Amino acid sequence: QSALTQEGSVSGTVGQKVTLSCTGNRYNIRSYSVGWYQQVSHGAPKTVMFANSLPSGIPDRFSGSKSGTTAYLTISGLQPEDEAVYFCSTWDNSLSAHVFGGGTKLTVL
Amino acid sequence: QVQLQESGPGLVKPSETLSLTCSVSGHSISGRYYWGWIRQPPGKGLEWIGNLHHSGGTYDNPSLKSRVTISVDTSKNQFSLRLTSVTAADTAMYFCARGGCLSSTCYRENPFDSWGQGTLVTVSS
Repeated sequence: QSALTQEGSVSGTVGQKVTLSCTGNRYNIRSYSVGWYQQVSHGAPKTVMFANSLPSGIPDRFSGSKSGTTAYLTISGLQPEDEAVYFCSTWDNSLSAHVFGGGTKLTVL
Repeated sequence: QVQLQESGPGLVKPSETLSLTCSVSGHSISGRYYWGWIRQPPGKGLEWIGNLHHSGGTYDNPSLKSRVTISVDTSKNQFSLRLTSVTAADTAMYFCARGGCLSSTCYRENPFDSWGQGTLVTVSS
């Protein structure tokens, strides 16, 4: 069982706004920066959000936020190429480890 | 732009040691950043294995029960992973990655900002 909880699956239509969530606790999400990673067809993960900042080359339709023990990744104006599995991660001070969510499969209808 | 590339045997026998290397290009491994290993068993999620800093600090996942050694070779701009006493449960895609920096501050706790393509390691006799 993952230390961070993500939705198993989310779907949306082209152009729609979708928000993925990543829920943890005071030892991880509340206290440390969060990363979001996109994995297409079991390929290499790509960082799409780094501590609520957009990495170079990532479209600005991606945005990140955090409230308490939950982090969010929002995609505004969903595109077909956004279909992927999205993982969140952060440091967990109670485990002394980087922890990941179980991943959310995003389907673009 | 930094690029990372994993290399090593794709097949390891049970009870033996898994050894992988991550070659880094486009950025010196001797800088401020942390470097790490993450793995993904087939059809499953991501699991952090460990991080290191070129200055010598290494941090590994307690759940791996001290089977992990991560080392750096600054002369080759590479870092390596050794995982001892492997079993079938260690079969996974292994990724190397760079820990990012926030406002020029680089902590071991920061998320990862760059990833290698990954290499599949199968544990089987």
